[in-house]
Amino acid sequence: GAVVSQHPSRVICKSGTSVKIECRSLDFQATTMFWYRQFPKQSLMLMATSNEGSKATYEQGVEKDKFLINHASLTLSTLTVTSAHPEDSSFYICSASRDNGYTFGSGTRLTVV
Amino acid sequence: AQSVTQLDSQVPVFEEAPVELRCNYSSSVSVYLFWYVQYPNQGLQLLLKYLSGSTLVKGINGFEAEFNKSQTSFHLRKPSVHISDTAEYFCAVSGGGSSNTGKLIFGQGTTLQVKP
Repeated sequence: GAVVSQHPSRVICKSGTSVKIECRSLDFQATTMFWYRQFPKQSLMLMATSNEGSKATYEQGVEKDKFLINHASLTLSTLTVTSAHPEDSSFYICSASRDNGYTFGSGTRLTVV
Repeated sequence: AQSVTQLDSQVPVFEEAPVELRCNYSSSVSVYLFWYVQYPNQGLQLLLKYLSGSTLVKGINGFEAEFNKSQTSFHLRKPSVHISDTAEYFCAVSGGGSSNTGKLIFGQGTTLQVKP
């Protein structure tokens, strides 16, 4: 079946530093990947749509300069949280679409201290 | 644009009892509908999906859901729950057919608490 690998699963970083999260489709090519953010006890909010070989499409209210998305290949999309601050602490989840279905990564718990 | 409303934030139920988690959607176009389960600090696992065809959809772990177009609902059911079903459940919608942009819109989630 379709598998999406997301790394790291947990990361703690200092305020002001940048963090990169990777999302890989292991056994299929994903021309489109999605990045979500989830606050505790809340739903998933779509941040951006990542398209291979082109610029990401960000949802309204998402700072594109803070959340840099790169989709350089058909199997890898990365989300970089730049100049992280405590309010960026959250659970980030990626997903890849395939055949009208969606496969999700296991998520990354980001804590900014 | 689509939206999803999960009518119950928490559903407590005793083990081996039946359960229904409610989901209503709104959309001006055809839709695809999904139910996902999330365990603590993990990603989402697909339980079932409706794309077209039979309105009764059977998924994994004994779950099923029925697509009701007239009531714009997609309620999730299980005839007998287990302790291991305790988790967060999300209903999601995307545009269907030619309206599909790939974006999934999620409901607020329902916490299923199965008690012994």
